[in-house]
Amino acid sequence: DQQVKQNSPSLSVQEGRISILNCDYTNSMFDYFLWYKKYPAEGPTFLISISSIKDKNEDGRFTVFLNKSAKHLSLHIVPSQPGDSAVYFCAATGAGGTSYGKLTFGQGTILTVHP
Amino acid sequence: EAGVVQSPRYKIIEKKQPVAFWCNPISGHNTLYWYRQNLGQGPELLIRYENEEAVDDSQLPKDRFSAERLKGVDSTLKIQPAELGDSAVYLCASSPYTLNTEAFFGQGTRLTVV
Repeated sequence: DQQVKQNSPSLSVQEGRISILNCDYTNSMFDYFLWYKKYPAEGPTFLISISSIKDKNEDGRFTVFLNKSAKHLSLHIVPSQPGDSAVYFCAATGAGGTSYGKLTFGQGTILTVHP
Repeated sequence: EAGVVQSPRYKIIEKKQPVAFWCNPISGHNTLYWYRQNLGQGPELLIRYENEEAVDDSQLPKDRFSAERLKGVDSTLKIQPAELGDSAVYLCASSPYTLNTEAFFGQGTRLTVV
């Protein structure tokens, strides 16, 4: 079963506009969520994270929002830049059960930012 | 500070042959992970180490896969014999501790089994 889902395989955005990437999860034991960015032929690079005790975390152009009741999180990139073009993975982990100590990833969303 | 180092970057082998991957984690990181990423999917955990102890290997296909982390630093992941379905990117990652922290990934080894 897919415990972390990114239902949009791809997203295309104009430079300067907002990019919104979405992620849904099913495991109630998840309490820490992360976004990774991946360029071709490279490993995933950590972008931003959020604990379940918060509903928003901001770092420069990147903001992650968490809606625990809906089991949904989103990553906002404002303004989007061509260098942001990459695959974005949502990941989740927790302190209990099968989620303990490991990251469970979504399938990824390919973001393309057009100049 | 050096990141997670993996080698080789690419490997092409015939099915039924053995293959090994090597990983050097970030200095001081006690937790080491091996993930496998199939095409179009997110990484999936194969095994997690705390120092030299494999604390979660529930996803490791133990009939053909093995791993070790001697002295709690470097790690190797081996497949013997390889099958066509093992073609994937094998990612090593490390973190300073286990809970509520990001993992730092290496560049990965792209394995092609023909």
